[in-house]
Amino acid sequence: GDSVTQMEGPVTLSEEAFLTINCTYTATGYPSLFWYVQYPGEGLQLLLKATKADDKGSNKGFEATYRKETTSFHLEKGSVQVSDSAVYFCASSYGGATNKLIFGTGTLLAVQP
Amino acid sequence: GAVVSQHPSWVICKSGTSVKIECRSLDFQATTMFWYRQFPKQSLMLMATSNEGSKATYEQGVEKDKFLINHASLTLSTLTVTSAHPEDSSFYICIPSKTGRTEAFFGQGTRLTVV
Repeated sequence: GDSVTQMEGPVTLSEEAFLTINCTYTATGYPSLFWYVQYPGEGLQLLLKATKADDKGSNKGFEATYRKETTSFHLEKGSVQVSDSAVYFCASSYGGATNKLIFGTGTLLAVQP
Repeated sequence: GAVVSQHPSWVICKSGTSVKIECRSLDFQATTMFWYRQFPKQSLMLMATSNEGSKATYEQGVEKDKFLINHASLTLSTLTVTSAHPEDSSFYICIPSKTGRTEAFFGQGTRLTVV
């Protein structure tokens, strides 16, 4: 079945460092891909998404490009801030009412001042 | 984005008791409700999928008699953890959905602690 694999954390960076969190997927079709973020003590919220190959999702300085050839959707940010400290989840879904989200294991990012 | 209300946000109960968690989709009619749980330091795992007016479909390894799901209306679904045990302590999250929706909106989730 479909699956999502993320790099293990925690990832610890200094403020203004470059961030990459790797995500790869396996799929029988062509799902939409998502990054969700969970700040401490809060629920998940959508960070960005891409619905087809070569699409780039972006939000709050974060970017991820849907790469069909490498089945990847790596999350990047050029300069992280302390406020970016959170758990990041990569996910896939075919969408619609009957298609569930498949999540990666989550990556904890800790940004130090 | 869509508004999802999940209640309670946290609950502590004694082992052997039952706990009901409510999930409301406040601004759209959810024909489908996904229930997930998240154990500490692990990802969200799908427990079951329920469609309004019909029985829920449970993922492998999830006991349907222990986790009772009711999806009586297009805006409300409930998950009841029966005879809770400490190993049921987890973070439970619902995701309402409908045909054509391509992204998910989550409630705050429910932190269940069984002592």
